[in-house]
Amino acid sequence: GEDVEQSLFLSVREGDSSVINCTYTDSSSTYLYWYKQEPGAGLQLLTYIFSNMDMKQDQRLTVLLNKKDKHLSLRIADTQTGDSAIYFCAESTASGGSYIPTFGRGTSLIVHP
Amino acid sequence: DAGITQSPRHKVTETGTPVTLRCHQTENHRYMYWYRQDPGHGLRLIHYSYGVKDTDKGEVSDGYSVSRSKTEDFLLTLESATSSQTSVYFCAISEEGSPSGITGELFFGEGSRLTVL
Repeated sequence: GEDVEQSLFLSVREGDSSVINCTYTDSSSTYLYWYKQEPGAGLQLLTYIFSNMDMKQDQRLTVLLNKKDKHLSLRIADTQTGDSAIYFCAESTASGGSYIPTFGRGTSLIVHP
Repeated sequence: DAGITQSPRHKVTETGTPVTLRCHQTENHRYMYWYRQDPGHGLRLIHYSYGVKDTDKGEVSDGYSVSRSKTEDFLLTLESATSSQTSVYFCAISEEGSPSGITGELFFGEGSRLTVL
């Protein structure tokens, strides 16, 4: 099957920027997503980017997509302790009229005061 | 928050016993999914449904079966639980052409933690 790879851990200091990276193998990916999982909860969509876009900015979040290298990144500016969570990269491709995401293993972001 | 309820939220059972997890939604979404989450493996799709009585396998479907007799309910059954099925199970729902306009956006339940001894 298609793979989505991301590093397992990232530790940053409060106030710094965090950059979480992801690579994927499916060149026909249509949508790429970042989901956030807080402790004891399910995943929630944080942001997404369509495959014909290079960048998307939403307040403190910046998503960069390098389609040639199949590389996606999520930058969180001014990282806060409340940003501590697991961040999942996911990609989806149209299949029979549906878009079922394939998830990476998740990156645990630890924010130190 | 999307109206998704998983039950039970926690269950401890013994090897060889049957287990059924229930996912109930109040959103009338077409698609429903069961994922399992394990350390080091992230989220893996078990089965999904694209309508009443319409289901398909995911990447880790062995040992699991599902049923969807109503739009709002999606059941995951472990016919004979094994220790390798100890995991946190998440139900998710989605609808094409969702109000947010994001195709493929999933809404997740809070998870069911299953321990098989």
